[in-house]
Amino acid sequence: QQQVRQSPQSLTVWEGETAILNCSYENSAFDYFPWYQQFPGEGPALLIAIRSVSDKKEDGGFTIFFNKREKNLSLHIKDSQPGDSATYFCAAGGGSALGRLHFGAGTQLIVIP
Amino acid sequence: EAAVTQSPRNKVAVTGGKVTLSCNQTNNHNNMYWYRQDTGHGLRLIHYSYGAGSTEKGDIPDGYKASRPSQENFSLILELATPSQTSVYFCASGDATGGTGQLYFGEGSKLTVL
Repeated sequence: QQQVRQSPQSLTVWEGETAILNCSYENSAFDYFPWYQQFPGEGPALLIAIRSVSDKKEDGGFTIFFNKREKNLSLHIKDSQPGDSATYFCAAGGGSALGRLHFGAGTQLIVIP
Repeated sequence: EAAVTQSPRNKVAVTGGKVTLSCNQTNNHNNMYWYRQDTGHGLRLIHYSYGAGSTEKGDIPDGYKASRPSQENFSLILELATPSQTSVYFCASGDATGGTGQLYFGEGSKLTVL
């Protein structure tokens, strides 16, 4: 059973628009939710993370909105730029995750100039 | 800057052959991980380690072994490679327990099994 689900699989937006990437999880014991960004030919790198005690986390143009009751979260990329084109992975850990993160399948974001 | 290096970066193997993917980290992190990345599946955990001498099974360990001979090194071993193991493999290190904290990934090793 997939612990973390992401949608959409692929998203195309125009430069300057806000991209919204969605994520949901199964295990209510998870309490740490990072987003990783991956460019082609590179390994994923941590972009931003939130803990379940918070419902919002901002860092530059990236914002996580977290809904503990609904077990979902979203990543908003404000004023998207072509350089933001990448694959974004949502992950969940902590609680009963036994020392590892569970990753979603990823959303490929394309920002058109 | 955290540093995780993998070798080889590209490998072509024959079915039934033995493949060893190596990972070295200079972060002095206790935890190390091996993931494989396939389209539609994201990152799936194969094996991980809490320190030298320890290895734990992840979500998809079948067909893989792991070895952690030192704090710095973590290897993934395919004793009898199969075409279904064609994938991109990522090593990562991290220091937090309980599945929290930042993971630092290497650049990946692309394996093709013919």
